[in-house]
Amino acid sequence: DQQVKQNSPSLSVQEGRISILNCDYTNSMFDYFLWYKKYPAEGPTFLISISSIKDKNEDGRFTVFLNKSAKHLSLHIVPSQPGDSAVYFCAASEVTGNQFYFGTGTSLTVIP
Amino acid sequence: DTAVSQTPKYLVTQMGNDKSIKCEQNLGHDTMYWYKQDSKKFLKIMFSYNNKELIINETVPNRFSPKSPDKAHLNLHINSLELGDSAVYFCASSQGTGHSGANVLTFGAGSRLTVL
Repeated sequence: DQQVKQNSPSLSVQEGRISILNCDYTNSMFDYFLWYKKYPAEGPTFLISISSIKDKNEDGRFTVFLNKSAKHLSLHIVPSQPGDSAVYFCAASEVTGNQFYFGTGTSLTVIP
Repeated sequence: DTAVSQTPKYLVTQMGNDKSIKCEQNLGHDTMYWYKQDSKKFLKIMFSYNNKELIINETVPNRFSPKSPDKAHLNLHINSLELGDSAVYFCASSQGTGHSGANVLTFGAGSRLTVL
């Protein structure tokens, strides 16, 4: 049973516009969330995280929003750049957990 | 200098064979992991070791046997390979085991295993 879901397998955005990647989860015990970025033939690399005590975390062009009541988080990239083209994975962890549950990823293409 | 390195990057083998994938991290992390990414792109944990001690062992066939000779290395040995074992296997490491804001995974580049 997949506890973290990314329902959009792909997304295309024009350069300079905003990219919004979505993630839903089912486990109410999750309280720490991360986004990873993956280029082809490379491993995922950490991008940004958020804990459940916050509803927003920002790092440069990247902002993650958390809506606990809806069990939903999103990653906003603005402005989008061609180098942002990659697969983005959402991951979540429980309070007492020692592992992360990953979504299946969203492939972002930023069109120059 | 690669933080988490795994070898081989590609592995093609016949059903029934035994193969190993090696992983090394030079980050000084205490915890190492093996993740499997299947054809549906689902990234799922298989094993986790903390200071050479097994702490996570998900529902994985016992044909898969991890070995951690020291905290910088975590190898994965697979016996009697089956078609369904074809996947990309990612090694990862982190500073700690518990849940914390600093517990971020650093991944290797992956090892693509193809079983014919």
